[in-house]
Amino acid sequence: NAGVTQTPKFQVLKTGQSMTLQCAQDMNHNSMYWYRQDPGMGLRLIYYSASEGTTDKGEVPNGYNVSRLNKREFSLRLESAAPSQTSVYFCASTGMVYQETQYFGPGTRLLVL
Amino acid sequence: KNEVEQSPQNLTAQEEEFITINCSYSVGISALHWLQQHPGGGIVSLFMLSSGKKKHGRLIATINIQEKHSSLHITASHPRDSAVYICAVSSGNQFYFGTGTSLTVIP
Repeated sequence: NAGVTQTPKFQVLKTGQSMTLQCAQDMNHNSMYWYRQDPGMGLRLIYYSASEGTTDKGEVPNGYNVSRLNKREFSLRLESAAPSQTSVYFCASTGMVYQETQYFGPGTRLLVL
Repeated sequence: KNEVEQSPQNLTAQEEEFITINCSYSVGISALHWLQQHPGGGIVSLFMLSSGKKKHGRLIATINIQEKHSSLHITASHPRDSAVYICAVSSGNQFYFGTGTSLTVIP
């Protein structure tokens, strides 16, 4: 089992460009999450999907959109990247929303110039 | 707003020392989680607990629900324990994270 995978691992964007971060899990988990991690801030929840077909906003959703493509995949889209979105992005999954151990992907480092 | 506070922020220890990292939270929770983040960036879940105490190898996690406090202990610390340890709580429809404790264990 690969667990949680994320692509790309690293990306540089110019302000205003768009991109999609991909996440997939092979553990048959119902719930998936997108976080960003910034120095001194801790991990912050951007969006989550409690189950296939549902998505909800987290603490910092502005500037992002998500799609739960199927049970395995949960993507995060930046429509018009801003320097404030420079961060490390982590995807995670659990069997049930917030009730179980979270499994994290390796992260995507995004630099917006 | 800091729903989860950790202390200390940074910790340096000699190999074999007993280490304690503390976590306090201010919200009602369904569970508390301890995570480990290695220098390469990957995050691994160490414990999830809602009461009492859990042990895994040299790691012990305790929680006091009444005092809204948890501790992570590392016995006989080793340089490979050097990492950032993150406390997180699940509360309602949210997940709150502490800013982490950076641990360095010196041989």
